[in-house]
Amino acid sequence: AQSVTQLDSQVPVFEEAPVELRCNYSSSVSVYLFWYVQYPNQGLQLLLKYLSGSTLVKGINGFEAEFNKSQTSFHLRKPSVHISDTAEYFCAVSDQRGFGNEKLTFGTGTRLTIIP
Amino acid sequence: KAGVTQTPRYLIKTRGQQVTLSCSPISGHRSVSWYQQTPGQGLQFLFEYFSETQRNKGNFPGRFSGRQFSNSRSEMNVSTLELGDSALYLCASSLVVNTGETQYFGPGTRLLVL
Repeated sequence: AQSVTQLDSQVPVFEEAPVELRCNYSSSVSVYLFWYVQYPNQGLQLLLKYLSGSTLVKGINGFEAEFNKSQTSFHLRKPSVHISDTAEYFCAVSDQRGFGNEKLTFGTGTRLTIIP
Repeated sequence: KAGVTQTPRYLIKTRGQQVTLSCSPISGHRSVSWYQQTPGQGLQFLFEYFSETQRNKGNFPGRFSGRQFSNSRSEMNVSTLELGDSALYLCASSLVVNTGETQYFGPGTRLLVL
């Protein structure tokens, strides 16, 4: 079984400031890691994912995340945020065994609010 | 390529009724998963279908069921609705060629049970 913890439920940040959204996970098996974003009244959109290889993953809209196996973390970062980044962000994991085990286990989400 | 579509987008039902939600995956995607999103419980996995077979199921009561058709379209049904079933129901499709495939989400169906 897997679990995902997003330590901050809300993060206010001034426009053009950097931001880090934290994510820690727990799993008895190896997992893939994902960050999704949800804008108001919309579904989820993939920002980035880590499958293997380089632990620094770059995604869309200038976001990046770093996988840290020893700390079981996958924190999301952006060096300079914009008003349009206001949304809810979800960290998720899925079982690496795949093929019938692809279900996503989500964290509780972090609401990012950009202050002009 | 068209994205995942879900119909209807909004539904209002009363307790005890049943409801059917529909999901059309991205063309060529054979896996369809359903998730429930509520303020209290967050995003929870309901079930996943691949080639008309349910491969995985979350921890929901038997009132929640689903099916997948030969064209990969999927429906989920909730019988004997309860107030707590009010939620955003999200459908996601994926290609399932390699492990770690991205799940692409639709806009969701917002269900309100009165």
